Amino acid sequence: GQNIDQPTEMTATEGAIVQINCTYQTSGFNGLFWYQQHAGEAPTFLSYNVLDGLEEKGRFSSFLSRSKGYSYLLLKELQMKDSASYLCAVLFTGGGNKLTFGTGTQLKVEL
Amino acid sequence: DAGVIQSPRHEVTEMGQEVTLRCKPISGHNSLFWYRQTMMRGLELLIYFNNNVPIDDSGMPEDRFSAKMPNASFSTLKIQPSEPRDSAVYFCASSIRTGGEEKLFFGSGTQLSVL
Repeated sequence: GQNIDQPTEMTATEGAIVQINCTYQTSGFNGLFWYQQHAGEAPTFLSYNVLDGLEEKGRFSSFLSRSKGYSYLLLKELQMKDSASYLCAVLFTGGGNKLTFGTGTQLKVEL
Repeated sequence: DAGVIQSPRHEVTEMGQEVTLRCKPISGHNSLFWYRQTMMRGLELLIYFNNNVPIDDSGMPEDRFSAKMPNASFSTLKIQPSEPRDSAVYFCASSIRTGGEEKLFFGSGTQLSVL
C-alpha cells in the first residue's frame, strides 16, 4: 500500500509554534503536498516539497526528508483561524498525477 | 476565475434513487479529479481524467458509480442506485502542471445524504 500516517489531532496555544508530522512509504515518491481544510470547506493548497529541505512561506514552513519518508508542517505565531484539519498528500510515480491523501490532523488552537 | 464549480451543494435522496453530481473545472486545467470524504476514511480518490480521458478509476467503489467528462469544461459523477453508505462529501478538483508542481484546486463539494 501507500500508507500515509499523521496524528489524528493536536492542540496548541495561540501565539505558539506547532509541528505536524507526516510519514509515508518512500517507494515511488514523486512529491509531497500539504493542504488546509476548515470545517465544512474544501481543502486549499499550502505547500509543495519534492526536494529535501525546508520551504518557508510566511508563518508556514514545510520540511521534507525523502530518505526517511518524512515531512512536517510548521506553523508559527499560531492564530485562532489556524484551527483546521491539515492534510498531508503524496504523489507517487506510476499513478500518473494521482494524489493520495492522509486522513488529516485536526489542529485546535486555544487561547 | 470562478474556481471549480460543483452542484448541487447539498443532496438528500432516498436509497435506490439515482444521484448525479456535476463539476465545472477551472478553464485551462487539463486534469480533473473526483474525491469522496468521510470521517472514517478521509479523502479518497474515486477517478481522475487527463484531457477528458479517464486515466484511473480504481477508486470507484463498485459498478453503481460512474463518471463522465464529455468535454473540457464539464464532468459528472453518477450513483445508481444510491445506498446509505454512499453518504459523504464529494469533491471535484482540477489542476494543471506548472514546472513539476501540480496543485489541486477543489470545488466546494456536494454533501450527499442517502436515507
